[in-house]
Amino acid sequence: QSALTQPPSVSGSPGQSVTISCTGTSSDVGSYNRVSWYQQPPGTAPKLMIYEVSNRPSGVPDRFSGSKSGNTASLTISGLQAEDEADYYCSSYTSSSVVFGGGTKLTVL
Amino acid sequence: QLQLQESGPGLVKPSETLSLTCTVSGGSISSSSYYWGWIRQPPGKGLEWIGSIYYSGSTYYNPSLKSRVTISVDTSKNQFSLKLSSVTAADTAVYYCATSHSSGDAFDIWGQGTMVTVSS
Repeated sequence: QSALTQPPSVSGSPGQSVTISCTGTSSDVGSYNRVSWYQQPPGTAPKLMIYEVSNRPSGVPDRFSGSKSGNTASLTISGLQAEDEADYYCSSYTSSSVVFGGGTKLTVL
Repeated sequence: QLQLQESGPGLVKPSETLSLTCTVSGGSISSSSYYWGWIRQPPGKGLEWIGSIYYSGSTYYNPSLKSRVTISVDTSKNQFSLKLSSVTAADTAVYYCATSHSSGDAFDIWGQGTMVTVSS
């Protein structure tokens, strides 16, 4: 299984919206509605932000939203805040295993 | 609220077996529908799923690591463990234990992580 493809970096100003893409294949993202997104500030453990493509765990702000089209999933962060600066990783279920994306560094300008 | 804590040697010699334990507190490791997993992150790199064990005992491993990985549960100690054999420098990473309730692929609670270096 190959890692899912994410852009290495994205950036945005406070208050703006940014979208991070996550491209897989018909064997993972395209076949299952089991895409998750994690936020990882430097030196900390990842935190689940989105599961099953578009569901938010309790406590995650509704500024974070997820979607999927074909083999590509997306995470959108609206009303960008300084505290959103972190690395973001997507993951997908595939054939009794889990594959992660390479990660995207979000910089809040 | 479940909490997870990794423990184990921070330094392992090449060709030896890496052994880590994750202690679960705030709940039972035998609770139905929970998956218990291991994920690692080499320095400066991304996350890699190593494998998971279901509360029933079924195991699921990353195909690229399957020949070297064993994940098991000790219900008497409320712990689960990871063994990775024949390690090389490429196995140097922060190792996280994590849990997923029901789906197995969305890990909603993570340990703080433990750094393991493979070096002679």
